[in-house]
Amino acid sequence: SQQGEEDPQALSIQEGENATMNCSYKTSINNLQWYRQNSGRGLVHLILIRSNEREKHSGRLRVTLDTSKKSSSLLITASRAADTASYFCAAILQTGANNLFFGTGTRLTVIP
Amino acid sequence: GAVVSQHPSRVICKSGTSVKIECRSLDFQATTMFWYRQFPKQSLMLMATSNEGSKATYEQGVEKDKFLINHASLTLSTLTVTSAHPEDSSFYICSAKQGALGHGYTFGSGTRLTVV
Repeated sequence: SQQGEEDPQALSIQEGENATMNCSYKTSINNLQWYRQNSGRGLVHLILIRSNEREKHSGRLRVTLDTSKKSSSLLITASRAADTASYFCAAILQTGANNLFFGTGTRLTVIP
Repeated sequence: GAVVSQHPSRVICKSGTSVKIECRSLDFQATTMFWYRQFPKQSLMLMATSNEGSKATYEQGVEKDKFLINHASLTLSTLTVTSAHPEDSSFYICSAKQGALGHGYTFGSGTRLTVV
């Protein structure tokens, strides 16, 4: 399977703490993206990092990419209760396919 | 920003009937649309890729005669679940690709299908 693996599967933290989620993948990628999904809803694009980038920031989000280890991490700083959601990494592979391959997801719960 | 409208958001149907789910790009032309299926607390699994004006490409293990995809225009793709069974109950999400480069993926809000 080309699906990425994410860990942890579930994460529960107190409001104000930082949350870190990790994503590993198996094949070479063009770019990697992180999405957020509230329960029973569609996906919202958070951030994209290209294969030639190592780190990217957007507001309280920080994404890193290590292509040698085929892994990425998403850090949410100063978490809020509203950040409670599932977070997925998704990649465009270098195989030529133009669809996103999703990771297994991390369910984040931020306790007020 | 780009918006993809997916309808219905929820549908309950009887076993053996067919259900159509629509996915519309509201302010851009989507030459390619993707249909995903998501089981509870699991990730999104690609079912098929549809290109406007041509036949959809189905992923391995997805029955093309059961999950009919039509992408007749640049703004509309439909997924019809035919002869639905309870095991088809799932969350279906469409995604439209906008342009050839960069991010360009916008997701619908999903359809919760329950087959009774």
